Amino acid sequence: NAGVMQNPRHLVRRRGQEARLRCSPMKGHSHVYWYRQLPEEGLKFMVYLQKENIIDESGMPKERFSAEFPKEGPSILRIQQVVRGDSAAYFCASSPQQGKYQETQYFGPGTRLLVL
Amino acid sequence: GQNIDQPTEMTATEGAIVQINCTYQTSGFNGLFWYQQHAGEAPTFLSYNVLDGLEEKGRFSSFLSRSKGYSYLLLKELQMKDSASYLCAALDSNYQLIWGAGTKLIIKP
Repeated sequence: NAGVMQNPRHLVRRRGQEARLRCSPMKGHSHVYWYRQLPEEGLKFMVYLQKENIIDESGMPKERFSAEFPKEGPSILRIQQVVRGDSAAYFCASSPQQGKYQETQYFGPGTRLLVL
Repeated sequence: GQNIDQPTEMTATEGAIVQINCTYQTSGFNGLFWYQQHAGEAPTFLSYNVLDGLEEKGRFSSFLSRSKGYSYLLLKELQMKDSASYLCAALDSNYQLIWGAGTKLIIKP
């Protein structure tokens, strides 16, 4: 059973370009979470999605950032007109379903975005 | 507001024992997770506690006191490979994980 997959692992963009980060959850998982991590800092929640639905985007900047999880294919985190402050590691995690009991989130290897 | 507090950095000696504390304040509570994260890598799951008490798993144990909003991760027989950041995260009433900033553990020979 393949784990959570993210690509690319490393992404370099110039200011003003667009960045597209992809996440394929573990097989059987229908919940996807995106986090941002700056160097030497903890994880910051960005958005939580289920198939074709954004459930919670309270951690997502209002401008330039968007996320989707289509019926088919990976979840996409899109950053338009990137700025240097967007440089960070972006982690995706997935879980099988939310319910009454604990649902461990399994993390992908992350995408390290560097904005020049 | 919701908040997770844990020390920024700790140092311990190879072969020794270390306890990493975490206090939490959340809107509702559905459990407490500990994750390990090596530099440049993804977090990996270590433990989950929802009932008061100690859960032991090999060299690692995790403790929870719901009344005190407190948890700790205990690492025994420390090895150099245990050098990593340890992230505490609480599951709130909406089943969202609230993350601490992590404790960087440095192991010295």
